[in-house]
Amino acid sequence: RKEVEQDPGPFNVPEGATVAFNCTYSNSASQSFFWYRQDCRKEPKLLMSVYSSGNEDGRFTAQLNRASQYISLLIRDSKLSDSATYLCVVKSSGYSTLTFGKGTMLLVSP
Amino acid sequence: EAQVTQNPRYLITVTGKKLTVTCSQNMNHEYMSWYRQDPGLGLRQIYYSMNVEVTDKGDVPEGYKVSRKEKRNFPLILESPSPNQTSLYFCASSSPSRQYNEQFFGPGTRLTVL
Repeated sequence: RKEVEQDPGPFNVPEGATVAFNCTYSNSASQSFFWYRQDCRKEPKLLMSVYSSGNEDGRFTAQLNRASQYISLLIRDSKLSDSATYLCVVKSSGYSTLTFGKGTMLLVSP
Repeated sequence: EAQVTQNPRYLITVTGKKLTVTCSQNMNHEYMSWYRQDPGLGLRQIYYSMNVEVTDKGDVPEGYKVSRKEKRNFPLILESPSPNQTSLYFCASSSPSRQYNEQFFGPGTRLTVL
């Protein structure tokens, strides 16, 4: 079983739409969770950390379900500039390395 | 400005010609790492370093070497590059002692081995 799994997409949505991505992880000892964004041929950048109680940052909402071992990212009111690949990232402890999912591609069209 | 720099950004080379990709960070981070990214395979970790003189293999270390003589630098060495090492390489750094730490990535090095 892959450690971090994501639907590769692409998700094609019109501007203004709401879109949600899910990610599952296999290591039940995982402690920290993140969503990174990667634009084409650019470096990944942290979008948001995912907290146990869920958290929101503007149009972006992240949720964590430890029992089912999945993480979600909800994007409301999609913008053209949201087009990118979204990487789900998991860390098992403070001093461990990050495990990346392969990413979900989002394409927002006018 | 806090950043991770990599050089070169683009490199075309031939099989067997030794090369080094440099990585430097100015954030005093203990942790540094090298990844390669290939279509359909995502980001895979090559080597990482928890601190000066401490390095360890990641998921795909074959054909690569690293060193960590100074805290800010973490070069990636390909002693005898082969075409299957053609890839996009990223260096990253972070401070692992913080739970919700951000991993900062360099801009990437696109390597082609002919």
